[in-house]
Parts: sequence; structure tokens; C-alpha cells
Amino acid sequence: AQKVTQAQTEISVVEKEDVTLDCVYETRDTTYYLFWYKQPPSGELVFLIRRNSFDEQNEISGRYSWNFQKSTSSFNFTITASQVVDSAVYFCALSEAGYNQGGKLIFGQGTELSVKP
Amino acid sequence: EPEVTQTPSHQVTQMGQEVILRCVPISNHLYFYWYRQILGQKVEFLVSFYNNEISEKSEIFDDQFSVERPDGSNFTLKIRSTKLEDSAMYFCASRTPGHQETQYFGPGTRLLVL
Repeated sequence: AQKVTQAQTEISVVEKEDVTLDCVYETRDTTYYLFWYKQPPSGELVFLIRRNSFDEQNEISGRYSWNFQKSTSSFNFTITASQVVDSAVYFCALSEAGYNQGGKLIFGQGTELSVKP
Repeated sequence: EPEVTQTPSHQVTQMGQEVILRCVPISNHLYFYWYRQILGQKVEFLVSFYNNEISEKSEIFDDQFSVERPDGSNFTLKIRSTKLEDSAMYFCASRTPGHQETQYFGPGTRLLVL
């Protein structure tokens, strides 16, 4: 069965600290896709990154970086030098690529990040 | 930049009433989705729609729910007889074909059932 676990419910840091949000997933598929979405206080879901199961290269985008490790079924997200504007709920999600699947996203519970000045 | 739009942004209704939530997906997208998020909880999949039919639905998506693409641009979610527990944020999403493609979400409709 597919499942995404974000064990950290809430994280609070002070501005300029680095912070890592953990994501662990379960799937029986050999081909799947992992995503991170940001939900700011305004409520919308903002796409951050997509990763394919066959591409384990880590990715960096500005202050954001992602560490994908198939061996531990993890897809962790690090924010370097956090800023107040990073305060949001962050969701990790999984999509399987099996036949006859509509590509639904399975979300984790979310991690609420609070960055204090 | 093209985006998914949803109307209304907020809706308040009485228990037992029918509601229709509207979405305009990105124009070249062919897969459409509805998700819901009960306050403070995770985002849950409701239904996916492709080629004018439901491709997958969750256990939440029971007979009270239906979806429709009445024309070339709108995608609607109807709840026939709302219950208190239907109060949630409802998100529409769309994507182009190909499982690797990203789903883009609308801003959501906050539904409150009294």
C-alpha cells in the first residue's frame, strides 16, 4: 500500500537557521514520483519539486535542496538560511505510475514550519 | 503564467443542501483532480478524471459526490446533500498527460456546512 509519513508535525527555528523536513514513503511500484508542495498561511498549494524514482541525484534550487535516497525510502527537504517567508506547512507527496492509475497524489500529514525573526 | 482557478473561494451552506464547486483547469491539461483538506489535516485525494470519465476515486467519493466537465473549460464537483463533515477546503488540480507530469493546484474553495 502507498503511504507517506512526515513524522515532524511542527518545527520552529530562528531565522537564518538551516532546517530539514523529513519524508519517508512506502510503495510497491518500481516507478513512482515524489513531490514537495508548500502551503503558506493563505492556503494555496504551491509546487516545489518533482523527483522520479529512477533519478536519485540530489537537487539544489537556491536555498532549497532535496535528498532522495531509495535505500531508505526517504525524500528529505532542507532549507538553508531560513527566512520568515518560509513559514508554511510543507507536504511531501507520492504518485505511482502503475497501469490504469490516474496519477493521484498521496500526501503526508504535513510539517508546519515556523521561522521566527 | 497559466493557472488553475476555482470559484467560489468560500461557500457556506446548510446541511442537506446541494453545492457545486467550479474549477477551470489549465487549458492544455487533460487530467483533472479533486482533493479535499479538512482543517488542520492532510490533503486527501477524492477523484481523478480523464477523457470524460472518472479514472480513479477514493472511498471518500461516495454516491453523494459527482464530477462533470460540462464544456471545454470547466470541471465541477457536486455534493448532492451536504453533511457537516463535508466542511473542508476543496482543491482542484490538473496536469498534462504522462505520469511524470506535475499537478498544479487551484487556490481552493473553503466549504462550510452548518
